[in-house]
Amino acid sequence: QKEVEQNSGPLSVPEGAIASLNCTYSDRVSQSFFWYRQYSGKSPELIMSIYSNGDKEDGRFTAQLNKASQYVSLLIRDSQPSDSATYLCAVKGYNQGGKLIFGQGTELSVKP
Amino acid sequence: EPEVTQTPSHQVTQMGQEVILRCVPISNHLYFYWYRQILGQKVEFLVSFYNNEISEKSEIFDDQFSVERPDGSNFTLKIRSTKLEDSAMYFCASSHPEEGGNTEAFFGQGTRLTVV
Repeated sequence: QKEVEQNSGPLSVPEGAIASLNCTYSDRVSQSFFWYRQYSGKSPELIMSIYSNGDKEDGRFTAQLNKASQYVSLLIRDSQPSDSATYLCAVKGYNQGGKLIFGQGTELSVKP
Repeated sequence: EPEVTQTPSHQVTQMGQEVILRCVPISNHLYFYWYRQILGQKVEFLVSFYNNEISEKSEIFDDQFSVERPDGSNFTLKIRSTKLEDSAMYFCASSHPEEGGNTEAFFGQGTRLTVV
């Protein structure tokens, strides 16, 4: 059974702080890794993708991938109250059009 | 910005009735998907569709489910005889292969299905 695990939270950080979200996955052949943001009652919104080991930065977001440890993380710098949402880690295998396997999500709350 | 659109946004149906959920994927995308999310649970894969046929389906996608791309733009999910446990948010997604073989999937706003 291919699994993606996240701490469900809630993770609470003060405004302006760095939020760190973590994800582990069980399938070693996974090739593509994604972070989605989901506001309550809304659909997943893609915020980051990462395919190679190391860091990938996009604005206030940094994704980190360590395939040897089967670990993906998302850092949100200068957290804002509008970042309060559930963050979903999703993993895809080697097929181009392959399915995404989602973790249960981490709820982030940014306090003003 | 191109987006995946889904209709209706909310569907209430009686148990045993058939429902059709509709999606218009992003126009140049080649892969289409249905996912569902039961309230409070994780997003679950149902089925993927490529080149006018199912490429993969999950255990959830049993004989009561079917998908169709009836024309060049719509992608539909049919549930033949709904059960109470089919109540969930259903998300359509689409993707297009990027350089290097990577793909990013973009989701529609979802259809909330309530079976009573």
